[in-house]
Amino acid sequence: EDQVTQSPEALRLQEGESSSLNCSYTVSGLRGLFWYRQDPGKGPEFLFTLYSAGEEKEKERLKATLTKKESFLHITAPKPEDSATYLCAVQEGETSGSRLTFGEGTQLTVNP
Amino acid sequence: EPEVTQTPSHQVTQMGQEVILRCVPISNHLYFYWYRQILGQKVEFLVSFYNNEISEKSEIFDDQFSVERPDGSNFTLKIRSTKLEDSAMYFCASKGWEKLFFGSGTQLSVL
Repeated sequence: EDQVTQSPEALRLQEGESSSLNCSYTVSGLRGLFWYRQDPGKGPEFLFTLYSAGEEKEKERLKATLTKKESFLHITAPKPEDSATYLCAVQEGETSGSRLTFGEGTQLTVNP
Repeated sequence: EPEVTQTPSHQVTQMGQEVILRCVPISNHLYFYWYRQILGQKVEFLVSFYNNEISEKSEIFDDQFSVERPDGSNFTLKIRSTKLEDSAMYFCASKGWEKLFFGSGTQLSVL
């Protein structure tokens, strides 16, 4: 059973068209939820870590939110350079060094 | 922003050969990891390393894999006898207090 499910798999937006990406998770004890951006052939680029329901974090046009079952990555007025695959990962376990479990990602394309 | 550095960026090897992938984690981080991503698939955890020993490993990380921190800066992943299915992008990562940073990866191709 998948612990992390991201939707949609792919999303096409026009420049300036705001939208949200979803990450649903099923873990017994969430230690942290991580969002990354990944460009083709590159390593995941850290965006946010969220720890508890109700928490929100922002960076430029991105805002991440967390509930007890899911996280959203809101993209406001996106630009073509925001095109990438966005990855969600959950961390559970007893230590802050525990593994991350990744979802499949959402491939975002922003057209000019 | 500090970076995790990986070498080489590409590695081509013959099946059955040994490969060593190298990483320089961020200097004040304590947790180090190897992940891999097969083309078109999700990022998968291989192993984590803390306090000079393996702290966690996945079912993928079998006896063909090993990790070392030979000195104070480098962190290596060795695959003793590569298989075709080992072809993937291998990412090193290190974690500080809150952020877990990935390197740019080594693309391993096993022929």
